[in-house]
Amino acid sequence: GAGVSQTPSNKVTEKGKYVELRCDPISGHTALYWYRQSLGQGPEFLIYFQGTGAADDSGLPNDRFFAVRPEGSVSTLKIQRTERGDSAVYLCASSLSEGNTEAFFGQGTRLTVV
Amino acid sequence: AQTVTQSQPEMSVQEAETVTLSCTYDTSESDYYLFWYKQPPSRQMILVIRQEAYKQQNATENRFSVNFQKAAKSFSLKISDSQLGDAAMYFCAYRSAWRQLTFGSGTQLTVLP
Repeated sequence: GAGVSQTPSNKVTEKGKYVELRCDPISGHTALYWYRQSLGQGPEFLIYFQGTGAADDSGLPNDRFFAVRPEGSVSTLKIQRTERGDSAVYLCASSLSEGNTEAFFGQGTRLTVV
Repeated sequence: AQTVTQSQPEMSVQEAETVTLSCTYDTSESDYYLFWYKQPPSRQMILVIRQEAYKQQNATENRFSVNFQKAAKSFSLKISDSQLGDAAMYFCAYRSAWRQLTFGSGTQLTVLP
């Protein structure tokens, strides 16, 4: 695609529910990143994929968070047993390769847990 | 761990004037990159300018330029001839080779007509 696409744009869910957030990177980009941005803060790193494998998942806050990228393109961030503190904008970015310096961002998914 | 500090939560500038946004960072690495991103209300992060640490010359992109002071670990953004469309949240970010971006807390820029 022309840019990084994230769906849904907004998601409201009840506390305790399971959610999936999708990221469709720029075609041909092998590196994919997930960030979480709380209100009034800068984005914080969650997980990084190079191809199909998670090269660095040190930013995932706990085991309720999980992400996959089974075919090395689309990625899904999965959150189990959502909590109100999970409310944030979840940003996805992709770059051409691991060493490439420029990352292109999607418009994010705003998750609200009520 | 690397940290990025933006000490100005909010800044304002008159249209057509110049404004400087401050950023400092802390790292023990020698090979890294610095970035300024713009985030309008649409939420999409847009790259404004980047600087490679090994380059002594300050980066420039049209009305945007940086003042990179490596020894002081300072990386400020200057916006000249400010336009209404420049109003947004601006984030300073750091990235070492082969790693993810580390962002500051942001500066909200208001452009006054």
